[in-house]
Amino acid sequence: DAKTTQPPSMDCAEGRAANLPCNHSTISGNEYVYWYRQIHSQGPQYIIHGLKNNETNEMASLIITEDRKSSTLILPHATLRDTAVYYCIVRVASSSNTGKLIFGQGTTLQVKP
Amino acid sequence: DSGVTQTPKHLITATGQRVTLRCSPRSGDLSVYWYQQSLDQGLQFLIQYYNGEERAKGNILERFSAQQFPDLHSELNLSSLELGDSALYFCASSPHGGKYEQYFGPGTRLTVT
Repeated sequence: DAKTTQPPSMDCAEGRAANLPCNHSTISGNEYVYWYRQIHSQGPQYIIHGLKNNETNEMASLIITEDRKSSTLILPHATLRDTAVYYCIVRVASSSNTGKLIFGQGTTLQVKP
Repeated sequence: DSGVTQTPKHLITATGQRVTLRCSPRSGDLSVYWYQQSLDQGLQFLIQYYNGEERAKGNILERFSAQQFPDLHSELNLSSLELGDSALYFCASSPHGGKYEQYFGPGTRLTVT
């Protein structure tokens, strides 16, 4: 699985958009970008994933660059409850593959009032 | 609520002892994953079971073992416990192997004294 690079920490004002970057310059053509988050000591929570098109769900949007070497997770209106560690994970998504997740250090997002 | 349950929530035991952690996956999910989160190692994949069979192994110590039962619940057995085994242990489940996102339980906090 490709390696990812994320900034260790970011701040965001409550109500503003939080944009969390992730670099994955060695991503392969069949690897997806997944985002999970972990709110203090709780179980990690799936947010969104994508292959090459931009994706949006009720939690967030995922923007993947055309060359797929980087992506940005966008929380459109951050709240205090979005304060968490955000993990960007790149892996093959196939029924024949193991689904193990390799977590890096992630980005600690602090949403401030 | 992810639909994944783990028991117990907290466990305090002494070095050298053996404990069993239990996980019930979401209804219909065939894959179960175990992860360990310690302060110095972050979130690490331990082992995956798919429909009762071991699918993948990560950094799991020989003192640790797991199994998945016919009703798809899983148990993680930790023996000859050491102080360094103190950690949060998370279970996650997904419908199949590598194709789908994972849903994590609330974790079991193990303290070895």
